[in-house]
Amino acid sequence: NAGVTQTPKFRVLKTGQSMTLLCAQDMNHEYMYWYRQDPGMGLRLIHYSVGEGTTAKGEVPDGYNVSRLKKQNFLLGLESAAPSQTSVYFCASSSSGLATGELFFGEGSRLTVL
Amino acid sequence: GQNIDQPTEMTATEGAIVQINCTYQTSGFNGLFWYQQHAGEAPTFLSYNVLDGLEEKGRFSSFLSRSKGYSYLLLKELQMKDSASYLCAVMDSNYQLIWGAGTKLIIKP
Repeated sequence: NAGVTQTPKFRVLKTGQSMTLLCAQDMNHEYMYWYRQDPGMGLRLIHYSVGEGTTAKGEVPDGYNVSRLKKQNFLLGLESAAPSQTSVYFCASSSSGLATGELFFGEGSRLTVL
Repeated sequence: GQNIDQPTEMTATEGAIVQINCTYQTSGFNGLFWYQQHAGEAPTFLSYNVLDGLEEKGRFSSFLSRSKGYSYLLLKELQMKDSASYLCAVMDSNYQLIWGAGTKLIIKP
């Protein structure tokens, strides 16, 4: 089973360029999340979705947009990349939200903005 | 503000026991998670505590004291493959996860 798959795994962008990270899960999970992980800091929630067609802002949403057109996919977009967005991005999913369910993470996408 | 504190790095010997502490101050409490993350890989779930006490799962155990805002992860019979970062996360009153920066555990032969 694939679980949670993220593409691309690595990307280098120039300041001002745009890109989209794709997250796909095959576990029929309702909840999906995008986090960023930076050295010396805990995971920070960017955006999340509690079901197809819904999205909500997390702790650090500025500079990012998301879409959940299909239940299995959650896209994270950077419209105009900035060096401060250099990070490792993790997508995660869960079956019942965080009240009782664990998070299943993708392998991560390492983004460098020059 | 909300805060999760863990030691940045710990070193232990193969075959020994190590305890990784986590203290927290959050707006409400709806459970505490421990995740393991090997370098360059995704975090994977280890344990979830919502009531006080010790939860044992094989070589790993997790303890919670809600009154003290404290948890620890206990790893027994350490193996080289246990070298990883261990992330503590607390679910606050809004069911949002607050993550600690993680503890890097180095196992020496």
